[in-house]
Amino acid sequence: DAGITQSPRHKVTETGTPVTLRCHQTENHRYMYWYRQDPGHGLRLIHYSYGVKDTDKGEVSDGYSVSRSKTEDFLLTLESATSSQTSVYFCAISPSQGDRPLDGYTFGSGTRLTVV
Amino acid sequence: AQSVTQLDSQVPVFEEAPVELRCNYSSSVSVYLFWYVQYPNQGLQLLLKYLSGSTLVKGINGFEAEFNKSQTSFHLRKPSVHISDTAEYFCAVTSLKAAGNKLTFGGGTRVLVKP
Repeated sequence: DAGITQSPRHKVTETGTPVTLRCHQTENHRYMYWYRQDPGHGLRLIHYSYGVKDTDKGEVSDGYSVSRSKTEDFLLTLESATSSQTSVYFCAISPSQGDRPLDGYTFGSGTRLTVV
Repeated sequence: AQSVTQLDSQVPVFEEAPVELRCNYSSSVSVYLFWYVQYPNQGLQLLLKYLSGSTLVKGINGFEAEFNKSQTSFHLRKPSVHISDTAEYFCAVTSLKAAGNKLTFGGGTRVLVKP
């Protein structure tokens, strides 16, 4: 989607190394999210942000950290990558309209991460 | 807490036949419901949404869904599928009580349309 980009699109990394994935939006939306997608599990929320420097954990946050220093950028860091973190990672954005999710989310194209 | 169950992990269907994808949710408060589609190697795209009002919701590409509060369901239907409908479909739920507008997704249903 033109308003949200993820980088890199693909990455192979070694176990134990730190990895940072970037999500960039041009929509000036308040909310940003990181999900991971695994077969049979759908999408599971890792972390989300509700404003600059305001973040909170999702259901699968262990081993991950996030930062948001600007409205447009939301970074996901795997502090010490493990094979269980091999997955497809999606960033999503959502506007705030009286805190109602009227438009759902807009998703990025995803980052395929392989930890070897 | 909210949760979503998609009852079928895979649905094979012949071209021009109808298809129904089942979704059940659980939540203690009023919900907002969504269906997303993911084509191979792409991100998710919004198909349709239920926020309030009419329980029959029409979306893009000829899809529609019906919200049934008593059965806590939001099933997706299309009367005649095309080869191009081959994709994975995700049902999702949120509510005013969900901090940060968090969406909870079901496990997905893979639709394979056969000629």
